Amino acid sequence: GAVVSQHPSWVICKSGTSVKIECRSLDFQATTMFWYRQFPKQSLMLMATSNEGSKATYEQGVEKDKFLINHASLTLSTLTVTSAHPEDSSFYICSARWTGTQPQHFGDGTRLSIL
Amino acid sequence: SQKIEQNSEALNIQEGKTATLTCNYTNYSPAYLQWYRQDPGRGPVFLLLIRENEKEKRKERLKVTFDTTLKQSLFHITASQPADSATYLCALGSSNTGKLIFGQGTTLQVKP
Repeated sequence: GAVVSQHPSWVICKSGTSVKIECRSLDFQATTMFWYRQFPKQSLMLMATSNEGSKATYEQGVEKDKFLINHASLTLSTLTVTSAHPEDSSFYICSARWTGTQPQHFGDGTRLSIL
Repeated sequence: SQKIEQNSEALNIQEGKTATLTCNYTNYSPAYLQWYRQDPGRGPVFLLLIRENEKEKRKERLKVTFDTTLKQSLFHITASQPADSATYLCALGSSNTGKLIFGQGTTLQVKP
């Protein structure tokens, strides 16, 4: 149980393109989903927290107009990197949690490369 | 500011031995602590969660301890196997926000 699916697993695109990443909880309802970014040899850095039906809460230093998050249902959240540039290249990972202090379960990440 | 430190970037042990990984934290009072395994190019996989009022948790060959006085968690893998080779992340959780703060990870290499 507690399977989180993330799609696509990797994206290569030109600078200026917008890229959408989907995160789905397959066998449970996720009241909260989280989006992280991970650079090589570094730990996960939280970008934003998203609750179903409400606006996402962004961490300090994360541009909300750059990283658009939508949590339209209890099983789906999307992250759109708008007008992506090479410095946005990274490994983006989502997680989903049912409720309270239940563990976060992670997707397999999306490797984004902007040329 | 909050700080989490995991012992040494890499830990090499012989198959069959017990691996012990350390997670220390400062300037934080987590409601719970989680351990994850991460393989290269993959997302973290949840292993164990221990709450602030719990001293120890076990799951098969895994054991976690949580000492809120020392501000430390120990993660043990007994009878280690080469398949246990991965990076292990500790993460501190807040009951208010549900957010996790991750350590930088310890890479474990189990040699046959």
